[in-house]
Amino acid sequence: DQQVKQNSPSLSVQEGRISILNCDYTNSMFDYFLWYKKYPAEGPTFLISISSIKDKNEDGRFTVFLNKSAKHLSLHIVPSQPGDSAVYFCAARGMDSSYKLIFGSGTRLLVRP
Amino acid sequence: DTEVTQTPKHLVMGMTNKKSLKCEQHMGHRAMYWYKQKAKKPPELMFVYSYEKLSINESVPSRFSPECPNSSLLNLHLHALQPEDSALYLCASSPGQGRMNTEAFFGQGTRLTVV
Repeated sequence: DQQVKQNSPSLSVQEGRISILNCDYTNSMFDYFLWYKKYPAEGPTFLISISSIKDKNEDGRFTVFLNKSAKHLSLHIVPSQPGDSAVYFCAARGMDSSYKLIFGSGTRLLVRP
Repeated sequence: DTEVTQTPKHLVMGMTNKKSLKCEQHMGHRAMYWYKQKAKKPPELMFVYSYEKLSINESVPSRFSPECPNSSLLNLHLHALQPEDSALYLCASSPGQGRMNTEAFFGQGTRLTVV
């Protein structure tokens, strides 16, 4: 049973436009959410996170929104750049352990020049 | 230095071989992790070491044996693997405590092929 779901395996956007990557979760005990970016042949790189007590966190071109009632979070990238093309993983942490991250299956983002 | 270094980058081994994967970090992190990632799947946690002690074993088969010789090093000893164990093995580290603990730094991974 997947506790963290990324239902869109891929997304293609034009350079300069907004990219919106979505993530849904089922476990209401998750209290911390993260986004990781992964290029081919590299390990995942931490991008941005949000605590369950917040509904928005912004870092430069990246903003993460959390809707706890809908158990949904999204990552907005504005403006999108070709270098943003990568696989993006959503991850969640349970209240019982700060060590265990549950990852979604990833969304492959392609930003077209 | 914000790097987690894994060696080797690629490894091909037979089912009767014994090999080891190595991971090193010099960020002063006290938690280190092994993840396994199959193609088109998310990373799956295998082991967590916290302050050099094994704190989480996600029911991993005994043919995978982790070792944490000191706070900077993490090994994964492999023995009698099966072809289905072929995957990308990722090492990660995090501070070990506090809110920032969850924001793990990952290495590039070791691409393992079992023949």
